[in-house]
Amino acid sequence: NAGVTQTPKFRVLKTGQSMTLLCAQDMNHEYMYWYRQDPGMGLRLIHYSVGEGTTAKGEVPDGYNVSRLKKQNFLLGLESAAPSQTSVYFCASSYWGTGNTIYFGEGSWLTVV
Amino acid sequence: AQSVTQLGSHVSVSEGALVLLRCNYSSSVPPYLFWYVQYPNQGLQLLLKYTSAATLVKGINGFEAEFKKSETSFHLTKPSAHMSDAAEYFCAVSSMAGNQFYFGTGTSLTVIP
Repeated sequence: NAGVTQTPKFRVLKTGQSMTLLCAQDMNHEYMYWYRQDPGMGLRLIHYSVGEGTTAKGEVPDGYNVSRLKKQNFLLGLESAAPSQTSVYFCASSYWGTGNTIYFGEGSWLTVV
Repeated sequence: AQSVTQLGSHVSVSEGALVLLRCNYSSSVPPYLFWYVQYPNQGLQLLLKYTSAATLVKGINGFEAEFKKSETSFHLTKPSAHMSDAAEYFCAVSSMAGNQFYFGTGTSLTVIP
């Protein structure tokens, strides 16, 4: 089972460039999430989606946009990358409802120079 | 709002010694609590979760956690540490709607031979 797949795994961007991170899940999960992980700060929620066509802001949404055009995909966009967005990005998904496990992808390492 | 606090960003134990990783939660209602493990350069994997069925929860790789409502704690333990347990451990709580997960800042476990 593929589970949650993220692409690309590594990327180096110049300040001001744009890019999109793609997340795909094959578990038919309703909920999908994008987190960033920084040393000493744990995981912080950027945006999430509770279903196809819906998105919502998390703790740190500034500088990012997302789209969920298909149930299995959740895209994270950086319109104008900044060095502060250098981080490891994790996509995750879960079934709707309470108490469900959240499943993570392998991560995408992004460096903005 | 729900939140979790992990006490101790770094914990070192000798191989064969008891592992104790601390997590306290803040929630106005009975929470759903999780422990995840992250090995280097990988995503997060579920160790165990508490969903009110039993206060002592057993997980994978010999780990277990006890939910103590009076102490608002959900500490993770393992009787005997193994070298392969060296990793980052995250405590998390889900929102009552189940559509957001809040993670602690993580505890890095080092196992000394």
